[in-house]
Amino acid sequence: GQQVMQIPQYQHVQEGEDFTTYCNSSTTLSNIQWYKQRPGGHPVFLIQLVKSGEVKKQKRLTFQFGEAKKNSSLHITATQTTDVGTYFCAGPSGAGSYQLTFGKGTKLSVIP
Amino acid sequence: KAGVTQTPRYLIKTRGQQVTLSCSPISGHRSVSWYQQTPGQGLQFLFEYFSETQRNKGNFPGRFSGRQFSNSRSEMNVSTLELGDSALYLCASSLSRDRGTGEAFFGQGTRLTVV
Repeated sequence: GQQVMQIPQYQHVQEGEDFTTYCNSSTTLSNIQWYKQRPGGHPVFLIQLVKSGEVKKQKRLTFQFGEAKKNSSLHITATQTTDVGTYFCAGPSGAGSYQLTFGKGTKLSVIP
Repeated sequence: KAGVTQTPRYLIKTRGQQVTLSCSPISGHRSVSWYQQTPGQGLQFLFEYFSETQRNKGNFPGRFSGRQFSNSRSEMNVSTLELGDSALYLCASSLSRDRGTGEAFFGQGTRLTVV
């Protein structure tokens, strides 16, 4: 079945440093979604990318969808302590599927 | 508007028992999905319902079942609980305009501990 891999699993950064997490799917995706889960919280939707090569920005966050629609990345510029949490990517599990397959996430720690 | 509501928030059960978890989606959302979250396996899809019909099911044993009511509220049931069923169970609702697209709104989850 489809697999969605995310690296790194953990990332510790000094406040103000940049952070990037990468997501790779074993199959081509019709779209990719990103979620953030704060410690003790639940996943919260950040963004959805649909087009090949698409780049979207949300303030300090930049999301990219690869040309082949099999990989994606999330880059945070100048991290802040409020960025702490686990970032997940997720994609539909196949043509016609209503199921989302999540990567295992990248847990970000920010050292003040 | 109110978010996704899951009850109860915490549960402690004994091996062999069964449990029923409840999820009330955002008003107007007809798609409800359930996920199991554990530290080792991450977020794993259990099943998805739309208009009282199960459209997708994940790779979980038959002890895991669910249903959706006409008001879109959903329940999931786990019978013959095992220690490995201890997890955070998350419900997510969406408008489900298209297959696999659109924002999923997650509830706070039910933390199930099996002892």
